[in-house]
Amino acid sequence: SQQGEEDPQALSIQEGENATMNCSYKTSINNLQWYRQNSGRGLVHLILIRSNEREKHSGRLRVTLDTSKKSSSLLITASRAADTASYFCATDAERDDKIIFGKGTRLHILP
Amino acid sequence: NAGVTQTPKFQVLKTGQSMTLQCAQDMNHEYMSWYRQDPGMGLRLIHYSVGAGITDQGEVPNGYNVSRSTTEDFPLRLLSAAPSQTSVYFCASSYLDGYTFGSGTRLTVV
Repeated sequence: SQQGEEDPQALSIQEGENATMNCSYKTSINNLQWYRQNSGRGLVHLILIRSNEREKHSGRLRVTLDTSKKSSSLLITASRAADTASYFCATDAERDDKIIFGKGTRLHILP
Repeated sequence: NAGVTQTPKFQVLKTGQSMTLQCAQDMNHEYMSWYRQDPGMGLRLIHYSVGAGITDQGEVPNGYNVSRSTTEDFPLRLLSAAPSQTSVYFCASSYLDGYTFGSGTRLTVV
């Protein structure tokens, strides 16, 4: 079974609005990562947050991690048409070396 | 700096045929993985390697073999292709701060 699960499965917002996606996971982790995938392309690494960190920023991206709830959120501020993509979380579990992905959130930015 | 290179980009196989998907990275990363991506399923881990000479199974290893004789190369072998292996395959390598992905191989088994 997959470790991470993103919510919602799909999200449509107006350009300029903020987009929030959530990821829940099942077991203790070393770190959690977020990736973007444009249609038909490979995945691009966005940000990594370690288990001892609670919040991290990169440009318009803000990631939070709550290890007590086993959840993370990705916030994209001031969305742009180019942010239209699928977003995946991936967890690096403490118990092994596997990096497991969730099923992703499809984000559509409306003009 | 080429990153992660996957070949071929597209492949059609007949049921029962075997083939090898190639993956090479030039970043001296120890950790490499193979994933398959199917509609609505996200990425599922097939096999991974934490260094040359070391491989281990992921979530969906059946029907696939890997080897890691060098740091740079991590080929994925399909032993006897089945229609259920129709998918997009991604290779990825990592050092400490996240994966670098290849551009993928789109495989169709007929």
